[in-house]
Amino acid sequence: GENVEQHPSTLSVQEGDSAVIKCTYSDSASNYFPWYKQELGKGPQLIIDIRSNVGEKKDQRIAVTLNKTAKHFSLHITETQPEDSAVYFCAAGEFGNEKLTFGTGTRLTIIP
Amino acid sequence: GAVVSQHPSWVICKSGTSVKIECRSLDFQATTMFWYRQFPKQSLMLMATSNEGSKATYEQGVEKDKFLINHASLTLSTLTVTSAHPEDSSFYICSARQGVHKKLFFGSGTQLSVL
Repeated sequence: GENVEQHPSTLSVQEGDSAVIKCTYSDSASNYFPWYKQELGKGPQLIIDIRSNVGEKKDQRIAVTLNKTAKHFSLHITETQPEDSAVYFCAAGEFGNEKLTFGTGTRLTIIP
Repeated sequence: GAVVSQHPSWVICKSGTSVKIECRSLDFQATTMFWYRQFPKQSLMLMATSNEGSKATYEQGVEKDKFLINHASLTLSTLTVTSAHPEDSSFYICSARQGVHKKLFFGSGTQLSVL
């Protein structure tokens, strides 16, 4: 089955700086890579996703890059703000398939 | 994005009682919903896949008689924790796949505390 590793487990960034979270996956059949943001006591929220037919996707301050050959993908947050503080999860799976495998999460703290 | 509503957001119950958690897709129909369990500072662990009109599919190690799942309509799935014990205390989250784009949307979670 799929195995997703996520690093770092915790990340502190000065407000205004950029944050990068990285994930690797093992199953070459995976072609869908979403990222979720989870705030304390709440369920995860989809913030961006990418399919394997593209290498990069951007939505305002958030971007995701994918390297299929190396089987890794990354989340980039620029111009970080205090409200970006949360736990971020990456996931991998086959698009339209029922299951996603989640990474172990990264606790991002933005320092004002 | 699509909205998935989960209720209640938190519940405290006595050991031995049963607790029902509801998961509703508010603006789309979901033939499949998923139930997860999350321990503090850990990732989501898939417990089962809930299929409308048929039996749920449970992940290895999850007791189907303890975690009863019912998916009676295209917008509602319920998880009942039967004869709850303190070790069942956890954060339970549901999700549903929104049809056309097949993206996964999550409920807000339910914090269960069993005394």
